[in-house]
Amino acid sequence: GIQVEQSPPDLILQEGANSTLRCNFSDSVNNLQWFHQNPWGQLINLFYIPSGTKQNGRLSATTVATERYSLLYISSSQTTDSGVYFCAVEDYGGATNKLIFGTGTLLAVQP
Amino acid sequence: DTEVTQTPKHLVMGMTNKKSLKCEQHMGHRAMYWYKQKAKKPPELMFVYSYEKLSINESVPSRFSPECPNSSLLNLHLHALQPEDSALYLCASSLTGINTEAFFGQGTRLTVV
Repeated sequence: GIQVEQSPPDLILQEGANSTLRCNFSDSVNNLQWFHQNPWGQLINLFYIPSGTKQNGRLSATTVATERYSLLYISSSQTTDSGVYFCAVEDYGGATNKLIFGTGTLLAVQP
Repeated sequence: DTEVTQTPKHLVMGMTNKKSLKCEQHMGHRAMYWYKQKAKKPPELMFVYSYEKLSINESVPSRFSPECPNSSLLNLHLHALQPEDSALYLCASSLTGINTEAFFGQGTRLTVV
């Protein structure tokens, strides 16, 4: 099956700093999503981005499918950005694809 | 509306108990998923239903029994669980399960005592 690795595994930032999170995947994918998991466990959709670049406020994401990676940019970080960031990709599963999660990046934004 | 609702939010059960987790969505999605997440780990896929039929079972022990009574509801029946089954159980749905965005519920935090 497909392997999905994220880096860095842990990241500590001061409020206001910028950061880049990376997601590498081992095979071609047709779907890639970025999620933020808050301290209560809720997975919040950030981007659905199989390819190209999207922006939503202070967040933006770029997926280069041909080179098998995606990047999530967080600008002017805030303490509320803290939590775990996951990328997830679809892997072929037959009638329905499997959504496979990456290893995650734990982000702590300090005031 | 992109809401997936899971109940209960928290559940404590004994190893001899039978309980059920419930998941509901009204987005017209035809693919629904159960994931299990242990602390400090990514979610791991357990089951996928496509058009109310079980399409993927990731070799999950039989003490976990999924059910999809209709296109809006997904249940996970639990029986004779072990303490190591304690985890966050997440439900998700997507329009077709192929190249479509998935949305997750807030999860059920299960403790087996």
